[in-house]
Amino acid sequence: NAGVTQTPKFQVLKTGQSMTLQCAQDMNHEYMSWYRQDPGMGLRLIHYSVGAGITDQGEVPNGYNVSRSTTEDFPLRLLSAAPSQTSVYFCATLSALSGEETQYFGPGTRLLVL
Amino acid sequence: AQTVTQSQPEMSVQEAETVTLSCTYDTSESDYYLFWYKQPPSRQMILVIRQEAYKQQNATENRFSVNFQKAAKSFSLKISDSQLGDAAMYFCAFLSYNNNDMRFGAGTRLTVKP
Repeated sequence: NAGVTQTPKFQVLKTGQSMTLQCAQDMNHEYMSWYRQDPGMGLRLIHYSVGAGITDQGEVPNGYNVSRSTTEDFPLRLLSAAPSQTSVYFCATLSALSGEETQYFGPGTRLLVL
Repeated sequence: AQTVTQSQPEMSVQEAETVTLSCTYDTSESDYYLFWYKQPPSRQMILVIRQEAYKQQNATENRFSVNFQKAAKSFSLKISDSQLGDAAMYFCAFLSYNNNDMRFGAGTRLTVKP
């Protein structure tokens, strides 16, 4: 049981490049989300999904796209990377079992945009 | 939107002593969940403790306990018998029961002195 996995662990991009951050989970959780963490700030929600085929915007969605074709995978796409997107990105799933609602986080992807 | 405030950017405690980290939040909802997450230098987000808003009894997990004051919208974390391994960033988080929108505070960096 791997939980929540993220790849890559670290990535360097040039301004204008595109890339996809991968997130996978094997806990069969319906809810998945992406956060970014910047220095001096807590995690901020980028996008989330309540199930396959359903996605919605969070607090800071601009510059990012998501899709959810399966329960297991929730990739985050940067369409045209900007230095402001330099951050640590966390994928998370939510256990929605009544009385056990808890978010489980992946190990994070550190992104540097030059 | 809900907001979470951690007013202590940094805290320090002597090994074996007790420390309390503060958290306040703002919401108009009556059903929600509150969490404390620990983030060590590895960046992994580790769940420390969770509290359901409908429960009056304060949650405890070994050396960790909370003081949940619903009317005051306060959710402090008490760490007893502090250990060197407790040194980390601690994030307070609010999870809406209605929309699964999790909001985080900016974090408190805890240092444990030997």
